Amino acid sequence: AQSVSQHNHHVILSEAASLELGCNYSYGGTVNLFWYVQYPGQHLQLLLKYFSGDPLVKGIKGFEAEFIKSKFSFNLRKPSVQWSDTAEYFCAGGDTGGGNKLTFGTGTQLKVEL
Amino acid sequence: DTGVSQDPRHKITKRGQNVTFRCDPISEHNRLYWYRQTLGQGPEFLTYFQNEAQLEKSRLLSDRFSAERPKGSFSTLEIQRTEQGDSAMYLCASSLIGAETQYFGPGTRLLVL
Repeated sequence: AQSVSQHNHHVILSEAASLELGCNYSYGGTVNLFWYVQYPGQHLQLLLKYFSGDPLVKGIKGFEAEFIKSKFSFNLRKPSVQWSDTAEYFCAGGDTGGGNKLTFGTGTQLKVEL
Repeated sequence: DTGVSQDPRHKITKRGQNVTFRCDPISEHNRLYWYRQTLGQGPEFLTYFQNEAQLEKSRLLSDRFSAERPKGSFSTLEIQRTEQGDSAMYLCASSLIGAETQYFGPGTRLLVL
């Protein structure tokens, strides 16, 4: 069965600190991987996605993620966070053989302090 | 491109009542998905449509739940005989076949008293 796990449920950082959020997936076949973000009071928005090719993908707002097949990981990184990055972050896997329905992790609540 | 819209945004109902939610996808998106999100969890897949055909339903979708997409455009999700455990955020997303990126609506927050 497909599953996605996120290791950190709550993260608190100071502005300018570096960020890395862990995500591991378990899929039987080919998988598309996504990071979504939900800012307070807003709906889920796509940060970045990996389908194939270069395992280092860049997204919006300076975020990037690296697909490491041997570790079944797709960690999200940002070198220097801003207060406006305070949000909840969700890693998700899409089942390419099943209409790309998404399986989400439980989410990581990030708070960036000034 | 006006984005995915959902109506209503909030719904409070009494246990045992029926409720219906509507989702309008991005125009020309041929796939439409429903997810449910409870507090502290990520969204969970419920069902999806390709055009007007409902292609998959999760085991989470009990027989009290029904979804339709009659003309391949908007979709409705109905919950009959609501229970307190149905309280959640119901999310709709849409995508184009082949593009595989899903765009989410704002959700409908359901509270069953």
